[in-house]
Amino acid sequence: GAGVSQSPSNKVTEKGKDVELRCDPISGHTALYWYRQSLGQGLEFLIYFQGNSAPDKSGLPSDRFSAERTGGSVSTLTIQRTQQEDSAVYLCASSFRRTGDTDTQYFGPGTRLTVL
Amino acid sequence: DQQVKQNSPSLSVQEGRISILNCDYTNSMFDYFLWYKKYPAEGPTFLISISSIKDKNEDGRFTVFLNKSAKHLSLHIVPSQPGDSAVYFCAASASNQGGKLIFGQGTELSVKP
Repeated sequence: GAGVSQSPSNKVTEKGKDVELRCDPISGHTALYWYRQSLGQGLEFLIYFQGNSAPDKSGLPSDRFSAERTGGSVSTLTIQRTQQEDSAVYLCASSFRRTGDTDTQYFGPGTRLTVL
Repeated sequence: DQQVKQNSPSLSVQEGRISILNCDYTNSMFDYFLWYKKYPAEGPTFLISISSIKDKNEDGRFTVFLNKSAKHLSLHIVPSQPGDSAVYFCAASASNQGGKLIFGQGTELSVKP
């Protein structure tokens, strides 16, 4: 079946503009995660959605970052008033995770964001 | 505070030999560990995982070993193939902390023909 998809694959924006990144998880997966990888860095957790529970936003670096997950499926990560340090690859992952369980997360190809 | 560490940024191995990638962690609440492989301009691809109730898991050429007392895990690839050349990330999660993955910095493996 189809894997996790993300759009756009590349986004170049000017400092101060808002951007929206989209993630379509694997059908039937209940959990959805956002991570980012800055140049030369490892992957950093941003936010996590599990079913209808309140999202875990503990990894969001500032209040300029927000995310939604509509209808338990598609998710949008929004970055307001982008800064150059926001430049990174933003990765989405999904899994079958049930609360209190552990499982394997499957990643999309990522969106490369460049803030000029 | 880096909870998951991969101390070797790179590793070079001859084709056919064994590749050993290492990972250390500090958080004793981690109970699930994974290895991902990543090519440039692609998302990480899941390779193999291990639960904290086990000390070894094998899948074809890939074996992951977990030493809980030392808070150390390793990925063995044998025999190594040129197509294995990529960046390998170790990741850990805690089931009581939402399952979010904490990643190491990655090790770039180069397998030479």
